[in-house]
Amino acid sequence: TQLLEQSPQFLSIQEGENLTVYCNSSSVFSSLQWYRQEPGEGPVLLVTVVTGGEVKKLKRLTFQFGDARKDSSLHITAAQPGDTGLYLCAGAWTGTASKLTFGTGTRLQVTL
Amino acid sequence: ETGVTQTPRHLVMGMTNKKSLKCEQHLGHNAMYWYKQSAKKPLELMFVYSLEERVENNSVPSRFSPECPNSSHLFLHLHTLQPEDSALYLCASSQDWGSYEQYFGPGTRLTVT
Repeated sequence: TQLLEQSPQFLSIQEGENLTVYCNSSSVFSSLQWYRQEPGEGPVLLVTVVTGGEVKKLKRLTFQFGDARKDSSLHITAAQPGDTGLYLCAGAWTGTASKLTFGTGTRLQVTL
Repeated sequence: ETGVTQTPRHLVMGMTNKKSLKCEQHLGHNAMYWYKQSAKKPLELMFVYSLEERVENNSVPSRFSPECPNSSHLFLHLHTLQPEDSALYLCASSQDWGSYEQYFGPGTRLTVT
């Protein structure tokens, strides 16, 4: 079974702080997505990365794909309460196309 | 309606009941998926349909029966479920089977009593 490990599992920070969450595997991804899920809702796609070393920015969120395509990170600058949610990474391994494997998620709470 | 919709949003059923979950996508996509999300576990892929044909069945018990009458609609028929089947059931779609990006509905929160 190919596993995707996310860390930390829980993170509680104050508004304005910076944070980084991680997604790691021992296998090489062909692509990796990051999603945010709010309580009672489905995951919402934030970004897709496919090239080793790739960096993508979405406002205050910065996503990085590891050079070896085995890991990824999500950095949030100046967190806001609206960033609160469950952050999920999902990877597809070479040859498995859209059969995504999801990590267990990082639950982020941003307080005033 | 836009995106992916699911009904009902909440469902409580006894172990002897039969019920169905419905998913509809308004994105013109060709592939649709059912996932199960349980507490403290990663999302588990259950079924994949591509152009109305089932292309993945991830060892799901027969008490879950999917149906895809056309590329916009997906159903999950439920019968004789167990309490451990209580979870959030999510539907998703993608442009094609093989597309990287999937778009999720809001889910159906199922409780089996």
